[in-house]
Amino acid sequence: DAGITQSPRHKVTETGTPVTLRCHQTENHRYMYWYRQDPGHGLRLIHYSYGVKDTDKGEVSDGYSVSRSKTEDFLLTLESATSSQTSVYFCAVPEVSGRAVETQYFGPGTRLLVL
Amino acid sequence: EDQVTQSPEALRLQEGESSSLNCSYTVSGLRGLFWYRQDPGKGPEFLFTLYSAGEEKEKERLKATLTKKESFLHITAPKPEDSATYLCAPTGGGNKLTFGTGTQLKVEL
Repeated sequence: DAGITQSPRHKVTETGTPVTLRCHQTENHRYMYWYRQDPGHGLRLIHYSYGVKDTDKGEVSDGYSVSRSKTEDFLLTLESATSSQTSVYFCAVPEVSGRAVETQYFGPGTRLLVL
Repeated sequence: EDQVTQSPEALRLQEGESSSLNCSYTVSGLRGLFWYRQDPGKGPEFLFTLYSAGEEKEKERLKATLTKKESFLHITAPKPEDSATYLCAPTGGGNKLTFGTGTQLKVEL
């Protein structure tokens, strides 16, 4: 499981409320990623981090912010949740192979329903 | 813009009936292609990495192959436990993986 846990695993919230999802890793990975998965779409990158306090936007970053104050935790925040953010959210970390191209290992996911 | 198309969207096989899943891609400067398996309610599970055209990887009943435009996941004599959604993700390098929408495989007794 690449040492990744996500919390909460399920959440129901109302439109307009803030929501924070947490990704925790135990293997000291420098890089961490947040994706969302929706029917009809492949996994899409929201934000990623390349170190403590170092983050960057992905493909679908509008409406999301992230923070990384320590190596093991990467937080994804929906400042004001909308129904379009109903999705399954996955955190990922890269394999450590030393190769130029590395795959990513995924956490168990958080199912978010925005009513 | 990088694009990935997986086909078929869904596939139903009888146990023992071999078949292939397709992943067609348009990626600038392909550096690698990953295959994942995803079970309902779980995160994607890594299966294979292919780095260059002509490369093949095998694991149990699965074999992945790669050409310059597509990759195939061949399933030989599948069993019900092979039922899952299979995802491919080519990359041009860096952190950017472009995922397909997957092929949902159902293997029946």
